[in-house]
Amino acid sequence: QKEVEQDPGPLSVPEGAIVSLNCTYSNSAFQYFMWYRQYSRKGPELLMYTYSSGNKEDGRFTAQVDKSSKYISLFIRDSQPSDSATYLCATVTGGFKTIFGAGTRLFVKA
Amino acid sequence: EPEVTQTPSHQVTQMGQEVILRCVPISNHLYFYWYRQILGQKVEFLVSFYNNEISEKSEIFDDQFSVERPDGSNFTLKIRSTKLEDSAMYFCASSEVGATVEKLFFGSGTQLSVL
Repeated sequence: QKEVEQDPGPLSVPEGAIVSLNCTYSNSAFQYFMWYRQYSRKGPELLMYTYSSGNKEDGRFTAQVDKSSKYISLFIRDSQPSDSATYLCATVTGGFKTIFGAGTRLFVKA
Repeated sequence: EPEVTQTPSHQVTQMGQEVILRCVPISNHLYFYWYRQILGQKVEFLVSFYNNEISEKSEIFDDQFSVERPDGSNFTLKIRSTKLEDSAMYFCASSEVGATVEKLFFGSGTQLSVL
């Protein structure tokens, strides 16, 4: 079983739509969950992180973790064409290793 | 804004040749990493490095790979004898000491093509 699973998409939405991106993970010991954004031919950039369960909001972005179902979500409100990128969910093992999902490609059409 | 810089941006090499990928991490960071991303696949952990030694490595990071911090600013990844399957984008990353979570700052990557 893969440690972090993510639907690769692509996901195409009109400008202004609410976007929901999701991941599942397998190990209940994982505590930290991150969302990275990756533009084409660039390195991933950390968007948000959450610890354990609950929500965290930053501007138009909300990260949500449901540990009971091992489900991670990122919501983007009022999506913009500049949000078009690949979104990677990730978690950290007990050591120094970050494990990434496959990434979901998002296209926001103007 | 401080950033991780990687050179070269593209590297083409023949199978069996040695390559060295270079990185300058953010200056006050002390944890360093290499990740790779094969085209169309996920970002994969290779190795983490702290206090001049490897902290953790993946099964990908075999004897053909090595890392070094030759001076106070550079961090390098060496592949001794490249194989076709080493073709990938290689990302260097760094993170702060004392961070409560591993917030990685990535460079823009080196695209390695092995022919």
